[in-house]
Amino acid sequence: QQQVKQSPQSLIVQKGGISIINCAYENTAFDYFPWYQQFPGKGPALLIAIRPDVSEKKEGRFTISFNKSAKQFSLHIMDSQPGDSATYFCAASSGGSQGNLIFGKGTKLSVKP
Amino acid sequence: DSGVTQTPKHLITATGQRVTLRCSPRSGDLSVYWYQQSLDQGLQFLIQYYNGEERAKGNILERFSAQQFPDLHSELNLSSLELGDSALYFCASSRSGQMNTEAFFGQGTRLTVV
Repeated sequence: QQQVKQSPQSLIVQKGGISIINCAYENTAFDYFPWYQQFPGKGPALLIAIRPDVSEKKEGRFTISFNKSAKQFSLHIMDSQPGDSATYFCAASSGGSQGNLIFGKGTKLSVKP
Repeated sequence: DSGVTQTPKHLITATGQRVTLRCSPRSGDLSVYWYQQSLDQGLQFLIQYYNGEERAKGNILERFSAQQFPDLHSELNLSSLELGDSALYFCASSRSGQMNTEAFFGQGTRLTVV
């Protein structure tokens, strides 16, 4: 119930295309859903996050779509660029003293020029 | 730059040895979290400290321990090292004690046990 399932494991997109990464969770206590971007040899960097009171959040070319009833959320990268090539992790957490970030397994995105 | 500083960046040591990883959180952040990242297990939560006190424990082995000092920096101690402990170790920090707020990760320490 604590898992966050992420798909696909890898994704190849042409420059200018839309990259879509999906995540699903079981724990209805989760109330914070961030996405992290990680380049090789670097730490995960917070990209964008959403809470369940909204269904969509957009920041630049990055959009999170959230479906509370389906317990799913996804990251859309519009106009994908070669510089977006990285590993993306979805995560979920709940508040309280025992809440910690549960990460998906990651999606390796390659954007071809 | 996230503002979270981890040292050292790389560490190579032999099996059976003990190492200490250090983390300085962002200015003003009271919580420090330690994560282990390996190829097969992904990012696994180890332990959290908030304002000097242990707050939450995850999949941390008994051979591992951590502490947070009065200046809020944290150290992760790994002892009796095994080959399987080779991984990237990240710390993250956040303002509050709860992980459902923005958390920022350091650049990590790559530990290689030979």
